[in-house]
Amino acid sequence: EIVLTQSPATLSLSPGERATLSCRASQTVNLAWYQHTPGQAPRLLINEDSNRAPGVPGRFSGSGSGTDFTLTISSLEPEDFAVYYCRQRGRGPRSFGQGTKVEIK
Amino acid sequence: EMQLVESGGGLVKPGGTLRISCAGSGFRFSDAWMGWVRQAPGKGLEWLGRIQSNVDGGAVAYTAPVKDRFTISRDDSRNTLYLQIHSLKTEDTAVYYCTADPLIRGGADCWGRGTLVTVSP
Repeated sequence: EIVLTQSPATLSLSPGERATLSCRASQTVNLAWYQHTPGQAPRLLINEDSNRAPGVPGRFSGSGSGTDFTLTISSLEPEDFAVYYCRQRGRGPRSFGQGTKVEIK
Repeated sequence: EMQLVESGGGLVKPGGTLRISCAGSGFRFSDAWMGWVRQAPGKGLEWLGRIQSNVDGGAVAYTAPVKDRFTISRDDSRNTLYLQIHSLKTEDTAVYYCTADPLIRGGADCWGRGTLVTVSP
């Protein structure tokens, strides 16, 4: 199965700062990004076309292709401190990365 | 509005069998590819499996660690997705989420709020 490796495990930043999260796949994939806040269902941010899902603010952007992908949050808002997961989708089993926690510095 | 509601979680003993359900509303359930994801305490999200819409063939795919014990099925007449877990282990303790893929390219997917399954003697 395809393995997704996210880095860093934890990102300590202040509101207003830029966040850059990485996801590397063990083979070529189509990739999406999710935000997960405790007590809530995960929320799709970026779909496999690297486009924002409906209703997602413009400060979130996704880039990359093949095996290397990046999620960028241009200026962190208080509600953005959460855990972020990448997820690959193909013909076979899907999988998530292990997550990057974005915490308040 | 797309909505998914899971039910059937609870406290179960190791070795037992449990079936959890997910009721969909606000969308054409029969057209959706559906799936299950879980999160064990203190852990990340784990993708468990998905079932295609019957019009697309109805095939099921599982992640390797669970494929011998987990069964995903659907009843489109009831707009309901199921996950049956056999030979429950303590490590199956988790919140189980039901998911629906976007029905249109570029659309949003949908997640339920989850149901907690606790496996304990």
